[in-house]
Amino acid sequence: AQSVTQLGSHVSVSEGALVLLRCNYSSSVPPYLFWYVQYPNQGLQLLLKYTSAATLVKGINGFEAEFKKSETSFHLTKPSAHMSDAAEYFCAVSAGSARQLTFGSGTQLTVLP
Amino acid sequence: DTAVSQTPKYLVTQMGNDKSIKCEQNLGHDTMYWYKQDSKKFLKIMFSYNNKELIINETVPNRFSPKSPDKAHLNLHINSLELGDSAVYFCASSQVAGAFTDTQYFGPGTRLTVL
Repeated sequence: AQSVTQLGSHVSVSEGALVLLRCNYSSSVPPYLFWYVQYPNQGLQLLLKYTSAATLVKGINGFEAEFKKSETSFHLTKPSAHMSDAAEYFCAVSAGSARQLTFGSGTQLTVLP
Repeated sequence: DTAVSQTPKYLVTQMGNDKSIKCEQNLGHDTMYWYKQDSKKFLKIMFSYNNKELIINETVPNRFSPKSPDKAHLNLHINSLELGDSAVYFCASSQVAGAFTDTQYFGPGTRLTVL
């Protein structure tokens, strides 16, 4: 079975501050991991994904995530938050024969001026 | 150019009615999906179609039936609507057949409200 836990349903940061959104996964086989972003009243858009190549993955809009097998984590970071980053962020996992993409419960990011 | 489109964007209806949501993708992808997002933003897969064949069907009531007239379309029919069906429904597609490791492209969603 596979699962994802996102720590913190709401995260607030000041504009220009570091963004850190936490994701821990559970999988019995090597996973593929994803971060999707959902802007208000829109569908989900892929930010980045880990597919067993480099452990540090760079995505769009300055975001990156690091796969840490020992910690079963795939945290999302951005050095400097922008007002336009305010959105809902979803971590997701797909592994082995699960035949589905399992999403976390999401983290709402608020960027304060 | 809209990659994955859904209609309608909003749907308000009474309990017991039958309704449909349409989805179209112009990406040439082989696989399409329907997801349900509840009021707590939790996203769960309902169906997946690979080149017009159903390849996954989670524990969804049989009042929900996907229909795929061709590879570019996956419509969702819902019979005898219930209050608990109120949610946002997302259509998605991916290029590689049956590979859930592939990037999925999502439509804008259909907000269904059952009164």
